[in-house]
Amino acid sequence: EAAVTQSPRSKVAVTGGKVTLSCHQTNNHDYMYWYRQDTGHGLRLIHYSYVADSTEKGDIPDGYKASRPSQENFSLILELASLSQTAVYFCASSERDRGQAQYFGPGTRLLVL
Amino acid sequence: GQQVQQSPPASLVLQEGENAELQCTYSTTLNSMQWFYQRPGGRLVSLLYSPSWAEQRGGRLTSSAASNESRSSLHISSSQITDSGTYLCAMELSSGSWQLIFGSGTQLTVMP
Repeated sequence: EAAVTQSPRSKVAVTGGKVTLSCHQTNNHDYMYWYRQDTGHGLRLIHYSYVADSTEKGDIPDGYKASRPSQENFSLILELASLSQTAVYFCASSERDRGQAQYFGPGTRLLVL
Repeated sequence: GQQVQQSPPASLVLQEGENAELQCTYSTTLNSMQWFYQRPGGRLVSLLYSPSWAEQRGGRLTSSAASNESRSSLHISSSQITDSGTYLCAMELSSGSWQLIFGSGTQLTVMP
């Protein structure tokens, strides 16, 4: 099974501060994704990437930036953290073709105060 | 936009040994379906992945889809206490976008 790791596992941030969430995968997958999960809701796609040095907007990109410096690493950046960005963030990866299963990291629990 | 409705909508309580059926319905044609399991605060673990309408089996789990009814089901047979957790479905649409659309999840509790 694909190995996807995330850091930090939890973080407390202050409103207006900068937050960077990191994701690393070791399975040579081309596609990587960032989702957020809110209590009582499913996951929503924030950003994704299908190749290094390129990122694409998902369904809810506002307030987030993404960076894919290499095939293995994908970061999510909150330049000005807000209370509404308190959530659990999941990173995932999948192989190149469409119709491939996605494999998820353990999640990062972010609390913005 | 496209939506995935998951049922039971919030929670399901079973006695150990009972069978469970979870369903997802959707409003458009899908390319694949993936079922995930999640413990509170835990990662999503892929249970079954179904490209198109293929039935998939894995141990006590079976996923199936009915294209004419725009519905996919996850069957859990002989439930065990350790099956307790949240089950989420995710659909890949075939409308040109490869993105996964998630249902809101069903929390399953298996009682002894």
